[in-house]
Amino acid sequence: QSALTQPASVSGSPGQSITISCTGTSTDVGSYNYVSWYQQHPGKAPKLMIRDVSNRPSGVSNRFSGSKSGNTASLTISGLQAEDEADYYCCSYTTSSTLVFGGGTKLTVL
Amino acid sequence: QVQLQQSGPGLVKPSQTLSLTCAISGDSVSSNSAAWNWIRQSPSRGLEWLGRTYYRSKWFYEYAVSVKSRITINPDTSKNQFSLQLNSVTPEDTAVYFCSSGTAAAGMGYWGQGTLVTVSS
Repeated sequence: QSALTQPASVSGSPGQSITISCTGTSTDVGSYNYVSWYQQHPGKAPKLMIRDVSNRPSGVSNRFSGSKSGNTASLTISGLQAEDEADYYCCSYTTSSTLVFGGGTKLTVL
Repeated sequence: QVQLQQSGPGLVKPSQTLSLTCAISGDSVSSNSAAWNWIRQSPSRGLEWLGRTYYRSKWFYEYAVSVKSRITINPDTSKNQFSLQLNSVTPEDTAVYFCSSGTAAAGMGYWGQGTLVTVSS
């Protein structure tokens, strides 16, 4: 199972919006609405930000939103804040009953 | 609030077995709605899901193809914990290992603190 494809880096200024894409195949992202997104600050464990494509767990800011079209899922962060600077990973369930992560995207807040 | 506490050695010799344990508080390893995962992270491989176990009237075990021949994840109901064993390790298995709870639908909402495991003689 190959890793999902994410851009290596994205950047934006405070207050702007950015979108991170996560491209898979018909055997993972395209097959289920089981895509989750994680935020990871250096030296910390990942934090769940979005579950099943577009749902935010309790306590996650509504500036974070998710969507999916075909084999590509997306994470959008609106109203960028300095604290959003982190690495972001997508994760999808697969037709082999396994999970697969994306390669990760480093978000820089300019 | 679920808490996961990892334990295990940080140094393993090549060809030996890597063993880690994840103690659960705030939930049960036998829960019919939870799943218990192991994930690792290295600079070269990023985040890599290794496998999981869960109970739905019987125990299920699912493993990543990349480690399927070498991995075992076991629940321990008496201690409310689960473990990871990875056999025949090489330096390529050097990584930070995390345990987590969560299903494919719900996402992995709780994580252990991470354990750096170095494979070296």
